Amino acid sequence: NAGVTQTPKFRILKIGQSMTLQCTQDMNHNYMYWYRQDPGMGLKLIYYSVGAGITDKGEVPNGYNVSRSTTEDFPLRLELAAPSQTSVYFCASSYEGSPLHFGNGTRLTVT
Amino acid sequence: AQRVTQPEKLLSVFKGAPVELKCNYSYSGSPELFWYVQYSRQRLQLLLRHISRESIKGFTADLNKGETSFHLKKPFAQEEDSAMYYCALNQFGSGNTGKLIFGQGTTLQVKP
Repeated sequence: NAGVTQTPKFRILKIGQSMTLQCTQDMNHNYMYWYRQDPGMGLKLIYYSVGAGITDKGEVPNGYNVSRSTTEDFPLRLELAAPSQTSVYFCASSYEGSPLHFGNGTRLTVT
Repeated sequence: AQRVTQPEKLLSVFKGAPVELKCNYSYSGSPELFWYVQYSRQRLQLLLRHISRESIKGFTADLNKGETSFHLKKPFAQEEDSAMYYCALNQFGSGNTGKLIFGQGTTLQVKP
């Protein structure tokens, strides 16, 4: 039982490049989330999903896209990377009403 | 607007000393509050939630609606308590979806 798995752990992008951060969970949780954490700041919600085929914006969705084709996977897409997207990205999952289970995070640098 | 404030970036105490990590929130309704912890090289995990009214690893947190606070306390700090601690508020109207507003986090350093 791996829990929530994020890949890659680290990535450096050039401005304008695109990439997908992968997130998968093996706990059959219906809810999944993407948060970002900037230095010295709390985590902020980017997007979330309450089930396969359903996604919604969080507090800071601009510059990102998500999809939820299966219960297990919730990838986060950056289309045109900008320096402002330099951050640590956390994926999480939960049952309704249960605590969040987090992945280990992806540290992204855009230069 | 809903907000969570943790006023201290770093709290440094000696082993055996009492610990209080402060958390204040702004929310007009009945809040649902949590403390999450991230130990070195580990993932963020739930420490406790106020509705459970439980003590985990010796830590307790009491919701004070009058002062809009949810401070985390432990009477005698241990070196293994050194970690980053986040206070979080369940967003208004999110039901049980787990959409949380996090504070900035406090690093607790327990010195031997």
